[in-house]
Amino acid sequence: ELKVEQNPLFLSMQEGKNYTIYCNYSTTSDRLYWYRQDPGKSLESLFVLLSNGAVKQEGRLMASLDTKARLSTLHITAAVHDLSATYFCAVPLYNTDKLIFGTGTRLQVFP
Amino acid sequence: GAVVSQHPSRVICKSGTSVKIECRSLDFQATTMFWYRQFPKKSLMLMATSNEGSKATYEQGVEKDKFLINHASLTLSTLTVTSAHPEDSSFYICSASAIAGGLPDEQFFGPGTRLTVL
Repeated sequence: ELKVEQNPLFLSMQEGKNYTIYCNYSTTSDRLYWYRQDPGKSLESLFVLLSNGAVKQEGRLMASLDTKARLSTLHITAAVHDLSATYFCAVPLYNTDKLIFGTGTRLQVFP
Repeated sequence: GAVVSQHPSRVICKSGTSVKIECRSLDFQATTMFWYRQFPKKSLMLMATSNEGSKATYEQGVEKDKFLINHASLTLSTLTVTSAHPEDSSFYICSASAIAGGLPDEQFFGPGTRLTVL
């Protein structure tokens, strides 16, 4: 059974600070997705990581994937209030088109 | 491109009634559509996977007689919550994956439907 865990579950951070969210998964996968969800809204796609060592950056967010360690990170640089949201990683279940979602990390950025 | 819509966005119904939620891929044909349920402050839980013209595949623990899924065309899937009860109140999100282009497991998400059962 594929399990996807995120750490931390909740993160309160000050504007301007840096932090990293971790996503661990339990079985082999060669790709991983990151999404953002605002309260009461659906998912917004952030990153698609397609191979081992993949790194993608968009604004203050940078995501990476280590398929050997079964680990992805979402790094936040110089956080701003607009980044406050819940972030999910998701991993495809091997040989299916299903996505298994992580537990989610609720990020709150305060002044 | 790759836009998915859901209707309605919000519905309130009485206990015992049935509610239908539509999920449409607006600018692409979807091989597969997925239905998720999300409780407050929780992650997304896959309820079922549907392919056009065939019966939906339900995840373990999801009652197929309660959550009826119809995938009538390559652009439309519907979820009907039958005999709704307050415990069915939740945020329902659909997604679709495209026939051509994109990754086989890349899903495009609808805006969600907030169901409240009184």
